[in-house]
Amino acid sequence: DAGVTQSPTHLIKTRGQQVTLRCSPKSGHDTVSWYQQALGQGPQFIFQYYEEEERQRGNFPDRFSGHQFPNYSSELNVNALLLGDSALYLCASSFQGRGETQYFGPGTRLLVL
Amino acid sequence: DAKTTQPTSMDCAEGRAANLPCNHSTISGNEYVYWYRQIHSQGPQYIIHGLKNNETNEMASLIITEDRKSSTLILPHATLRDTAVYYCIVSPSKTTDSWGKLQFGAGTQVVVTP
Repeated sequence: DAGVTQSPTHLIKTRGQQVTLRCSPKSGHDTVSWYQQALGQGPQFIFQYYEEEERQRGNFPDRFSGHQFPNYSSELNVNALLLGDSALYLCASSFQGRGETQYFGPGTRLLVL
Repeated sequence: DAKTTQPTSMDCAEGRAANLPCNHSTISGNEYVYWYRQIHSQGPQYIIHGLKNNETNEMASLIITEDRKSSTLILPHATLRDTAVYYCIVSPSKTTDSWGKLQFGAGTQVVVTP
């Protein structure tokens, strides 16, 4: 049973560029949540997708957007990258997201130069 | 949303039990206590969760006080591979706008030594 997978594992971008990160949920899960983890801090909730719609959103600017596909996989897009966007981006999946246990992927390490 | 308080760090000897405390004095009646851990540079790993009763699985035991204001995660026989940051999280109630959002604090850095 495959767990949550994310791609790419590492990414280097420059300021002002745009980036797309991808996530495939655990088998049987239909809800995907994205988190940002800066160095030395705990993960911070970005948003959650269910039934191809954004259902919950954390305190992140509109530069952060996402999408969920019919097969439940998801993308996180960040526009106009800033140095402060450098972080580990984590995807977590769950079933219906109704307080159910979220399982995390290995993350994508983004470095903005 | 209920917040949690954990010690910043703790050490544990290999083979001994590790007892990780967590305070969540403002927890509401239908909020769960979740524990995750994160080994350096990896994604958080789910450990266990509970509502009122004590819980045990192959990884750990969770002891929740009767008033639900605090809990303890017990790793029965710590190994070097248990060195990680351990996060205690109160899962938002389904009746709030925040359900689905996990709020991570700084966690407890646990170091298991030989």
